[in-house]
Amino acid sequence: DIVLTQSPDSLAVSLGERATISCKSSQSVFHSSNNKNYLVWYQQKPGQPPKVLISWASTRNSGVPDRFSGSGSGTDFTLTISSLEAEDVAIYYCHQYYTTPRTFGQGTKVEIK
Amino acid sequence: QVQLVESGGALVKPGGSLRLSCAASGFSFSDYYMSWIRQAPGKGLEWISYISSTGTTKIYADSVKGRFTVSRDNANDSFFLQMNSLSGDDTAVYYCARDRGPRGWFDYWGQGTPVTVSS
Repeated sequence: DIVLTQSPDSLAVSLGERATISCKSSQSVFHSSNNKNYLVWYQQKPGQPPKVLISWASTRNSGVPDRFSGSGSGTDFTLTISSLEAEDVAIYYCHQYYTTPRTFGQGTKVEIK
Repeated sequence: QVQLVESGGALVKPGGSLRLSCAASGFSFSDYYMSWIRQAPGKGLEWISYISSTGTTKIYADSVKGRFTVSRDNANDSFFLQMNSLSGDDTAVYYCARDRGPRGWFDYWGQGTPVTVSS
Protein backbone atom coordinates (compact mmCIF):
# COMPACT_ATOMS: atom_id res chain seq x y z
CA ASP A 1 0.00 0.00 0.00
CA ILE A 2 1.12 3.56 -0.65
CA VAL A 3 1.73 5.42 2.60
CA LEU A 4 1.21 9.17 2.60
CA THR A 5 2.91 11.10 5.40
CA GLN A 6 1.87 14.66 6.05
CA SER A 7 3.81 17.25 7.99
CA PRO A 8 3.31 18.92 10.27
CA ASP A 9 0.46 17.21 12.12
CA SER A 10 -0.79 20.65 13.10
CA LEU A 11 0.15 24.25 12.57
CA ALA A 12 -1.02 27.60 13.86
CA VAL A 13 -0.77 30.53 11.47
CA SER A 14 -1.71 34.18 11.89
CA LEU A 15 -4.51 35.56 9.77
CA GLY A 16 -3.11 36.77 6.47
CA GLU A 17 0.02 34.66 6.75
CA ARG A 18 1.04 31.66 4.65
CA ALA A 19 0.34 28.06 5.62
CA THR A 20 2.30 25.24 4.02
CA ILE A 21 1.52 21.54 4.33
CA SER A 22 3.74 18.75 3.02
CA CYS A 23 2.65 15.31 1.82
CA LYS A 24 5.26 12.67 1.08
CA SER A 25 4.37 9.42 -0.65
CA SER A 26 6.12 6.10 -0.10
CA GLN A 27 6.18 5.62 -3.86
CA SER A 28 5.66 7.80 -6.89
CA VAL A 29 2.09 8.66 -7.87
CA PHE A 30 3.18 10.14 -11.20
CA HIS A 31 1.92 8.34 -14.28
CA SER A 32 4.13 8.91 -17.31
CA SER A 33 1.39 7.90 -19.77
CA ASN A 34 -0.46 11.16 -19.14
CA ASN A 35 2.14 13.17 -17.18
CA LYS A 36 -0.19 13.46 -14.24
CA ASN A 37 0.23 13.08 -10.51
CA TYR A 38 -2.61 11.08 -8.98
CA LEU A 39 -2.97 13.16 -5.84
CA VAL A 40 -5.82 15.24 -4.43
CA TRP A 41 -6.12 17.56 -1.44
CA TYR A 42 -9.25 17.66 0.71
CA GLN A 43 -10.39 20.13 3.34
CA GLN A 44 -12.51 18.89 6.24
CA LYS A 45 -14.17 21.34 8.59
CA PRO A 46 -15.55 20.17 11.95
CA GLY A 47 -18.70 18.11 11.58
CA GLN A 48 -18.51 18.12 7.80
CA PRO A 49 -17.37 15.64 5.18
CA PRO A 50 -14.19 16.28 3.21
CA LYS A 51 -14.37 18.66 0.29
CA VAL A 52 -12.11 18.53 -2.77
CA LEU A 53 -9.74 21.48 -3.03
CA ILE A 54 -7.19 20.36 -5.59
CA SER A 55 -6.92 17.39 -7.92
CA TRP A 56 -4.07 16.12 -10.08
CA ALA A 57 -1.80 17.66 -7.43
CA SER A 58 -2.22 21.21 -8.72
CA THR A 59 -5.63 21.73 -10.36
CA ARG A 60 -7.90 23.83 -8.20
CA ASN A 61 -11.48 22.61 -8.03
CA SER A 62 -14.24 24.90 -9.27
CA GLY A 63 -15.17 27.46 -6.63
CA VAL A 64 -12.04 27.00 -4.55
CA PRO A 65 -10.41 30.35 -3.68
CA ASP A 66 -7.15 31.05 -5.47
CA ARG A 67 -5.30 31.43 -2.16
CA PHE A 68 -5.18 27.61 -2.22
CA SER A 69 -2.52 26.08 -4.45
CA GLY A 70 -0.97 22.67 -4.88
CA SER A 71 2.45 21.76 -6.17
CA GLY A 72 4.91 18.90 -6.40
CA SER A 73 5.45 15.74 -8.36
CA GLY A 74 6.37 12.11 -7.90
CA THR A 75 6.59 11.61 -4.16
CA ASP A 76 6.66 15.13 -2.70
CA PHE A 77 3.70 17.46 -2.67
CA THR A 78 2.73 20.72 -1.02
CA LEU A 79 -0.54 22.49 -0.28
CA THR A 80 -0.16 26.22 0.26
CA ILE A 81 -2.68 28.66 1.63
CA SER A 82 -1.18 31.98 0.62
CA SER A 83 -3.07 34.21 3.05
CA LEU A 84 -4.92 32.40 5.80
CA GLU A 85 -8.51 33.38 6.48
CA ALA A 86 -10.59 32.40 9.50
CA GLU A 87 -12.76 30.12 7.37
CA ASP A 88 -9.71 28.03 6.45
CA VAL A 89 -9.53 26.48 9.92
CA ALA A 90 -9.85 22.79 9.10
CA ILE A 91 -8.02 19.52 8.74
CA TYR A 92 -6.36 19.01 5.37
CA TYR A 93 -5.76 15.57 3.86
CA CYS A 94 -3.77 14.45 0.87
CA HIS A 95 -5.06 11.39 -0.96
CA GLN A 96 -3.54 9.22 -3.67
CA TYR A 97 -5.65 7.60 -6.36
CA TYR A 98 -2.75 6.04 -8.25
CA THR A 99 -3.40 2.56 -6.99
CA THR A 100 -5.77 0.45 -4.94
CA PRO A 101 -6.13 0.66 -2.02
CA ARG A 102 -6.47 4.39 -2.40
CA THR A 103 -4.97 5.90 0.72
CA PHE A 104 -4.99 9.16 2.67
CA GLY A 105 -2.44 11.08 4.65
CA GLN A 106 -3.06 11.30 8.39
CA GLY A 107 -4.23 14.90 8.13
CA THR A 108 -2.87 18.31 9.11
CA LYS A 109 -4.87 20.52 11.44
CA VAL A 110 -4.67 24.23 10.61
CA GLU A 111 -5.55 26.72 13.33
CA ILE A 112 -5.34 30.45 13.85
CA LYS A 113 -2.41 31.73 15.92
CA GLN B 1 -27.02 19.43 -7.16
CA VAL B 2 -25.36 16.21 -6.10
CA GLN B 3 -26.71 14.87 -2.83
CA LEU B 4 -25.71 11.76 -0.94
CA VAL B 5 -27.59 10.84 2.22
CA GLU B 6 -26.44 7.96 4.39
CA SER B 7 -28.60 6.13 6.89
CA GLY B 8 -28.56 3.02 9.03
CA GLY B 9 -25.82 3.85 11.49
CA ALA B 10 -26.45 2.62 15.02
CA LEU B 11 -25.02 1.21 18.24
CA VAL B 12 -24.38 -2.50 17.74
CA LYS B 13 -22.79 -5.20 19.89
CA PRO B 14 -19.50 -6.85 18.95
CA GLY B 15 -20.13 -9.67 16.52
CA GLY B 16 -23.30 -8.02 15.29
CA SER B 17 -24.38 -6.87 11.86
CA LEU B 18 -25.59 -3.64 10.34
CA ARG B 19 -26.69 -2.46 6.90
CA LEU B 20 -25.93 1.06 5.78
CA SER B 21 -27.73 2.80 2.94
CA CYS B 22 -26.87 5.76 0.76
CA ALA B 23 -29.51 7.58 -1.26
CA ALA B 24 -28.16 9.50 -4.23
CA SER B 25 -29.71 12.34 -6.20
CA GLY B 26 -28.73 15.13 -8.54
CA PHE B 27 -26.66 13.06 -10.96
CA SER B 28 -26.90 10.02 -13.18
CA PHE B 29 -26.24 7.44 -10.48
CA SER B 30 -25.84 4.47 -12.79
CA ASP B 31 -22.91 6.18 -14.56
CA TYR B 32 -20.71 6.34 -11.48
CA TYR B 33 -18.65 4.12 -9.26
CA MET B 34 -19.45 4.56 -5.58
CA SER B 35 -17.31 4.10 -2.48
CA TRP B 36 -17.60 3.77 1.27
CA ILE B 37 -15.02 5.57 3.37
CA ARG B 38 -14.88 5.62 7.14
CA GLN B 39 -13.38 7.84 9.81
CA ALA B 40 -12.81 6.52 13.31
CA PRO B 41 -13.32 9.04 16.14
CA GLY B 42 -10.55 11.62 16.06
CA LYS B 43 -8.76 9.71 13.31
CA GLY B 44 -8.10 9.98 9.61
CA LEU B 45 -9.88 8.65 6.58
CA GLU B 46 -9.91 5.03 5.41
CA TRP B 47 -11.34 3.90 2.09
CA ILE B 48 -13.06 0.54 2.63
CA SER B 49 -14.91 -0.47 -0.52
CA TYR B 50 -15.96 0.51 -4.01
CA ILE B 51 -18.44 -0.82 -6.50
CA SER B 52 -18.44 -0.23 -10.24
CA SER B 53 -21.26 1.60 -11.99
CA THR B 54 -22.92 -1.65 -13.08
CA GLY B 55 -22.23 -3.44 -9.82
CA THR B 56 -20.11 -6.12 -11.45
CA THR B 57 -16.84 -5.12 -9.76
CA LYS B 58 -16.59 -4.88 -5.98
CA ILE B 59 -13.30 -4.21 -4.23
CA TYR B 60 -12.61 -4.14 -0.49
CA ALA B 61 -9.87 -3.02 1.84
CA ASP B 62 -8.11 -5.86 3.64
CA SER B 63 -9.51 -4.60 6.94
CA VAL B 64 -13.09 -5.46 5.92
CA LYS B 65 -12.66 -8.17 3.29
CA GLY B 66 -14.84 -11.19 4.01
CA ARG B 67 -16.97 -9.27 6.53
CA PHE B 68 -18.45 -6.39 4.53
CA THR B 69 -20.43 -6.56 1.30
CA VAL B 70 -21.19 -3.64 -0.96
CA SER B 71 -24.14 -3.52 -3.35
CA ARG B 72 -26.20 -1.04 -5.32
CA ASP B 73 -29.67 -0.60 -6.80
CA ASN B 74 -29.41 1.55 -9.89
CA ALA B 75 -33.17 1.55 -10.38
CA ASN B 76 -33.56 3.36 -7.08
CA ASP B 77 -30.30 5.36 -7.00
CA SER B 78 -29.19 3.58 -3.86
CA PHE B 79 -26.00 2.07 -2.53
CA PHE B 80 -25.51 -0.24 0.44
CA LEU B 81 -22.94 -1.65 2.83
CA GLN B 82 -23.72 -4.86 4.69
CA MET B 83 -21.40 -5.15 7.69
CA ASN B 84 -21.04 -8.44 9.56
CA SER B 85 -18.85 -9.65 12.43
CA LEU B 86 -18.42 -6.11 13.69
CA SER B 87 -15.75 -5.22 16.24
CA GLY B 88 -14.70 -2.09 18.10
CA ASP B 89 -12.25 -1.32 15.31
CA ASP B 90 -15.22 -0.73 13.04
CA THR B 91 -16.50 2.15 15.17
CA ALA B 92 -16.47 5.15 12.86
CA VAL B 93 -18.47 7.60 10.84
CA TYR B 94 -19.20 5.95 7.49
CA TYR B 95 -19.35 8.15 4.42
CA CYS B 96 -20.65 7.25 1.02
CA ALA B 97 -18.93 9.06 -1.79
CA ARG B 98 -19.24 9.42 -5.52
CA ASP B 99 -16.20 7.81 -6.99
CA ARG B 100 -14.49 8.87 -10.19
CA GLY B 101 -13.29 5.31 -10.63
CA PRO B 102 -10.45 3.13 -9.40
CA ARG B 103 -7.96 5.68 -10.70
CA GLY B 104 -9.98 8.64 -9.51
CA TRP B 105 -10.86 10.54 -6.39
CA PHE B 106 -14.04 10.97 -4.35
CA ASP B 107 -15.66 14.10 -5.63
CA TYR B 108 -18.85 14.27 -3.54
CA TRP B 109 -19.41 12.95 -0.03
CA GLY B 110 -22.45 12.45 2.13
CA GLN B 111 -22.65 13.81 5.67
CA GLY B 112 -21.88 10.39 7.11
CA THR B 113 -23.66 7.99 9.45
CA PRO B 114 -22.12 6.94 12.79
CA VAL B 115 -21.57 3.31 13.69
CA THR B 116 -20.61 2.41 17.24
CA VAL B 117 -19.65 -1.14 18.13
CA SER B 118 -19.77 -1.64 21.87
CA SER B 119 -21.19 -4.03 24.41
